[in-house]
Amino acid sequence: GAGVSQSPRYKVAKRGQDVALRCDPISGHVSLFWYQQALGQGPEFLTYFQNEAQLDKSGLPSDRFFAERPEGSVSTLKIQRTQQEDSAVYLCASSLSGRASNEQFFGPGTRLTVL
Amino acid sequence: AQSVTQPDIHITVSEGASLELRCNYSYGATPYLFWYVQSPGQGLQLLLKYFSGDTLVQGIKGFEAEFKRSQSSFNLRKPSVHWSDAAEYFCAVGSNNNDMRFGAGTRLTVKP
Repeated sequence: GAGVSQSPRYKVAKRGQDVALRCDPISGHVSLFWYQQALGQGPEFLTYFQNEAQLDKSGLPSDRFFAERPEGSVSTLKIQRTQQEDSAVYLCASSLSGRASNEQFFGPGTRLTVL
Repeated sequence: AQSVTQPDIHITVSEGASLELRCNYSYGATPYLFWYVQSPGQGLQLLLKYFSGDTLVQGIKGFEAEFKRSQSSFNLRKPSVHWSDAAEYFCAVGSNNNDMRFGAGTRLTVKP
């Protein structure tokens, strides 16, 4: 079956533009996670959904970042008024249930470059 | 909150040699520990995980890791490295709150 997919794979934005990054999790997976991976760093947790409920958004770096998963499947990470420091790879992951011991399956990421 | 330290930024080993990648964690309770591998342009792939039971964990691609509570460590090992193992390796610790913290990664180069 298909894994986690993300689109677009690459996005170039001018500073100040809004961007929307999409994540299609594995079908039937309850939990969905967003991470930000800066160059040369490990992924940093942004936010977590269980079905459509956003249970943790403590990692979102500012109020310019917003994530949603309205029907408990596809998720969108939106960044408003992008800044250069937002340049990173944004990773989405899904897992079968909400148990912390469950494996998270990662998508290939969206590389965002803000000029 | 939990945290992870990977002391080695870059390691080079010869093909066929043994490998050990270090990982130290900080977490107040029994941690959920993971090792992921990331090849260029690829997503993160789980190698192995520990959350209870036997402290020596076997994973895919011939990797294993040992959980040592007394040392707060979860080092990754492989007895004989293949050229295809060249990649970035990330140790991660999870909590009951489902937020997973990753280390900064160790880049593995394999010499022919």
